[in-house]
Amino acid sequence: DSGVTQTPKHLITATGQRVTLRCSPRSGDLSVYWYQQSLDQGLQFLIQYYNGEERAKGNILERFSAQQFPDLHSELNLSSLELGDSALYFCASSVDPGLRNTEAFFGQGTRLTVV
Amino acid sequence: AQSVTQPDIHITVSEGASLELRCNYSYGATPYLFWYVQSPGQGLQLLLKYFSGDTLVQGIKGFEAEFKRSQSSFNLRKPSVHWSDAAEYFCAVGRRGDYKLSFGAGTTVTVRA
Repeated sequence: DSGVTQTPKHLITATGQRVTLRCSPRSGDLSVYWYQQSLDQGLQFLIQYYNGEERAKGNILERFSAQQFPDLHSELNLSSLELGDSALYFCASSVDPGLRNTEAFFGQGTRLTVV
Repeated sequence: AQSVTQPDIHITVSEGASLELRCNYSYGATPYLFWYVQSPGQGLQLLLKYFSGDTLVQGIKGFEAEFKRSQSSFNLRKPSVHWSDAAEYFCAVGRRGDYKLSFGAGTTVTVRA
């Protein structure tokens, strides 16, 4: 168990809908990362938050957004869902905003299926 | 930009045999290197990491990896594979102070009895 908790584990929804994925980082970790794992794109970095503020953006669509709350949990919001958004979404957390001799710990992921 | 190549999409190995998974990276400075394992239906578990120092790194589950700067490689090895090692393995590269990891496409390992 990495200590990173993601809910829900599975989500099935229809095209055009909006969903929210939730992540609770390890205790003491201030940085949260979101990754998408799809068959065609592999594992791709989406976005990072550090202590409530957006730190970096990767290949995140405009239909997607995220935030980190004062208690440090994070939510990834996916809207106007398309079939191609079906993927495994991972959250990871680390102590600091960059990789300074630490590593990121990954949650179990949320499997999103868009039908 | 950093990138990672895992040349082998799928490897089949007999239980008890040795395993080597290849990883090549493209990066302008000294990278931080990682190997993660993903079992079916599971999340990513860190096997080992290299930040600096000794280029031979020991990890969990009997795995080790060697950083070879001259070859831009970070190959993962295990002397004797167990059936429970069947999984997908990802090599990743990052850098100090950076915010993200770049992952390879993964290598699926099948273990036959």
